[in-house]
Amino acid sequence: NAGVTQTPKFRILKIGQSMTLQCAQDMNHNYMYWYRQDPGMGLKLIYYSVGAGITDKGEVPNGYNVSRSTTEDFPLRLELAAPSQTSVYFCASSYSSSHEQFFGPGTRLTVL
Amino acid sequence: DAKTTQPTSMDCAEGRAANLPCNHSTISGNEYVYWYRQIHSQGPQYIIHGLKNNETNEMASLIITEDRKSSTLILPHATLRDTAVYYCIVRVPLVASGTYKYIFGTGTRLKVLA
Repeated sequence: NAGVTQTPKFRILKIGQSMTLQCAQDMNHNYMYWYRQDPGMGLKLIYYSVGAGITDKGEVPNGYNVSRSTTEDFPLRLELAAPSQTSVYFCASSYSSSHEQFFGPGTRLTVL
Repeated sequence: DAKTTQPTSMDCAEGRAANLPCNHSTISGNEYVYWYRQIHSQGPQYIIHGLKNNETNEMASLIITEDRKSSTLILPHATLRDTAVYYCIVRVPLVASGTYKYIFGTGTRLKVLA
């Protein structure tokens, strides 16, 4: 199993540009999550999904959108990128809500 | 609104036990304590979790005080590869969805010294 994969690893955006961060898992997990990690800080939840077609907001959803059309994929969309969105983004998945989360390797995003 | 407090950094000699403390004085009765670690800015890696009983697995032990206001992660024989940032996390319910979210603190940077 590849586990949780994320692309791209690095990206530089200009202010106002848009992009999609890709996340995929091959463990047949229903639950998937997006986090951001700012320098020297812990992770904060952006959005989560409890299954295909079901998504909901986390702690810091403003400026982001998600979709979950399949069990495997959970892309995160940034519209109108802003410098405040400069961060490392992690995707995670879990078998159920009470099981541990498995994290991907992260995407480092810089908005200039 | 972090629910956990950890020391910023700690050193530990290779081969010795590393004891990482965490305060979670506002934890509620149904909220679990989780520990993850993050090596070189990679994705966090699960270590262990518990509610009120002490727990042990192949990686570590978790000691939770009787009042549940604090806990200690123990790495019994630290190696250089255990150098990482260790996060003590409280798992809280997301009422609307029936799932949970992790509340991360700022973590403890553990350096294992040769």
